[in-house]
Amino acid sequence: SQQGEEDPQALSIQEGENATMNCSYKTSINNLQWYRQNSGRGLVHLILIRSNEREKHSGRLRVTLDTSKKSSSLLITASRAADTASYFCATDAFVSGTYKYIFGTGTRLKVLA
Amino acid sequence: EAGVVQSPRYKIIEKKQPVAFWCNPISGHNTLYWYRQNLGQGPELLIRYENEEAVDDSQLPKDRFSAERLKGVDSTLKIQPAELGDSAVYLCASSLDQSGTSGTNTQYFGPGTRLTVL
Repeated sequence: SQQGEEDPQALSIQEGENATMNCSYKTSINNLQWYRQNSGRGLVHLILIRSNEREKHSGRLRVTLDTSKKSSSLLITASRAADTASYFCATDAFVSGTYKYIFGTGTRLKVLA
Repeated sequence: EAGVVQSPRYKIIEKKQPVAFWCNPISGHNTLYWYRQNLGQGPELLIRYENEEAVDDSQLPKDRFSAERLKGVDSTLKIQPAELGDSAVYLCASSLDQSGTSGTNTQYFGPGTRLTVL
């Protein structure tokens, strides 16, 4: 089964509002990354947070990591219609004796103009 | 700098036919990944290469899937014979470093190949 479970599965907001997505994982990790995927396209890397970090910012993005709860959140502030996409968390996780890169199930975000 | 290149972008085949996908990673990236992504799901790793060595192929259905990365650069993923359930998007990605390193293993994805098996 996939390492990451994302919540909510789908989110619909108005332009200008903030969007928050959550990711939970199961095993210890080296780092956690968030990716965006526009319809019919490949994934684009957004931000990486290491296991010893608690918060990172990049433009309108804010990511938090709580290793004690095995969870991360992605906040997009002042959303735009162009932010409409699927967002995935991916963990560099130690599984079955090796590090594996495991993606979550994704959150489908729709920003209404 | 050129990104990850994949071809073809789309492929429609009859079941039991063979199919092959090609990937050219970003220059200098030693690690190459093949993923399969079903509709509405996240990508699932099929195989990971460090240079020309397949270091993680535990999720690759070896009865019908094969992959190679000759000379540690381009890679080909093959399915023979294809089944209806193989319909998905096949993504190739590359990274500078491998999993488990200090955090520079950001993956860069190609646009994918959308496979439809009829």
